[in-house]
Amino acid sequence: GAVVSQHPSRVICKSGTSVKIECRSLDFQATTMFWYRQFPKQSLMLMATSNEGSKATYEQGVEKDKFLINHASLTLSTLTVTSAHPEDSSFYICSAAAPRREGVGEQFFGPGTRLTVL
Amino acid sequence: AQSVSQHNHHVILSEAASLELGCNYSYGGTVNLFWYVQYPGQHLQLLLKYFSGDPLVKGIKGFEAEFIKSKFSFNLRKPSVQWSDTAEYFCAVATSGTYKYIFGTGTRLKVLA
Repeated sequence: GAVVSQHPSRVICKSGTSVKIECRSLDFQATTMFWYRQFPKQSLMLMATSNEGSKATYEQGVEKDKFLINHASLTLSTLTVTSAHPEDSSFYICSAAAPRREGVGEQFFGPGTRLTVL
Repeated sequence: AQSVSQHNHHVILSEAASLELGCNYSYGGTVNLFWYVQYPGQHLQLLLKYFSGDPLVKGIKGFEAEFIKSKFSFNLRKPSVQWSDTAEYFCAVATSGTYKYIFGTGTRLKVLA
């Protein structure tokens, strides 16, 4: 099956700093990637949809200036949490959609990045 | 607005018991349906998916799900659970032709040895 990786798997940073998380589709090209946030013992909340070569589409309530998304190539999307604060601590998960593999409409998920802001 | 409901938030079963987790969605059009599992400390894994065809879908690890269009449901079943099935289970729905998922709130399953 399609493989999606994320880096780093864990990151601890000080309040006020920025953190970049990378999401890569390893064996397929993904025109669309998604970024989710998962709070402890809760479901995944979609933050934004990232399309290669265009601006990301953010869900209601997600600050686009705080969560910068770049999808510069068909295999890489990045999420930058700017001026991170403790309330940004969470588990961030990316996924990638593969339009020509295993059916339309399926996302393949990365392993997630646990962000802790001190 | 579209939504996905998982009515069972916490389920505790003994090994060998049968499992059924409910998933209902609200959308009148064609949908693609998914069940994912998240083991403690691990990432989401696809259990099974439905795009079209036979509404009874078989997945990995002995799981199956049945799509009942008239009930807008896609319930997950397993005849005999094991301790290793302890995990969180998420139902997800995508409207046909799109990639955007709506996730249910998840069901935390604990299987007692």
